[in-house]
Amino acid sequence: QSVLTQPPSVSAAPGQKVTISCSGSSSNIGNNFVSWYQQLPGTAPKLLIYENNERPSEIPDRFSGSKSGTSTTLGITGLQTGDEADYYCGTWDSGLSAVVFGGGTKLTV
Amino acid sequence: EVQLVESGGGLVQPGRSLRLSCTCSGFTFGDYGMSWLRQAPGKGLEWVGFIRSKDFGGTTEYAASVKGRFTISRDDSKSVAYLQMNSLKTDDTGVYYCARARVFWCFDSWGQGTLVSVSS
Repeated sequence: QSVLTQPPSVSAAPGQKVTISCSGSSSNIGNNFVSWYQQLPGTAPKLLIYENNERPSEIPDRFSGSKSGTSTTLGITGLQTGDEADYYCGTWDSGLSAVVFGGGTKLTV
Repeated sequence: EVQLVESGGGLVQPGRSLRLSCTCSGFTFGDYGMSWLRQAPGKGLEWVGFIRSKDFGGTTEYAASVKGRFTISRDDSKSVAYLQMNSLKTDDTGVYYCARARVFWCFDSWGQGTLVSVSS
């Protein structure tokens, strides 16, 4: 059972927009920065979003992050088949003194 | 180009030990904290632990599931991070990744992973 809660799967058509939610508590998302990672099949995870809504320079602006209270959301616009992957949210949990992740969301395009 | 390459994985019996290495290049290794994470077959990501840079004391943090059994260390002269795993359990089976920590809870570069299988 993961500390952060994500939907197991989401799907949308090419060119459309999708959002992936991640909920937690005041000990994690509510008081700490959130990161999002993309894991393409058979590969290592890759950082997509850091500090809730910042993108590394190599990540296209089709990817965005937002946070409100104890929940955070990853948005992907202009979906491509190459976006099919597992997506994970992660943050620090002050109560557990540990980095915690959501269980992952499988995106089907 | 930032590169992280894990090595040392393999098949090991329960109760035995294994040491993983993460050889880094393309950045000033000593300036960064380094973390180890793992992924059991078909499961999600799990944080294993973290070592701060020498500037921040070089201290470590561990997940409760591995505390007392696993030890992270670093050799800045060789740009290598290590994960010493003792008293291995079948639940420790998975792909182990090392990652560069942008800050200790955020990982901006990852290795390709090395598979550890704990089985009799």
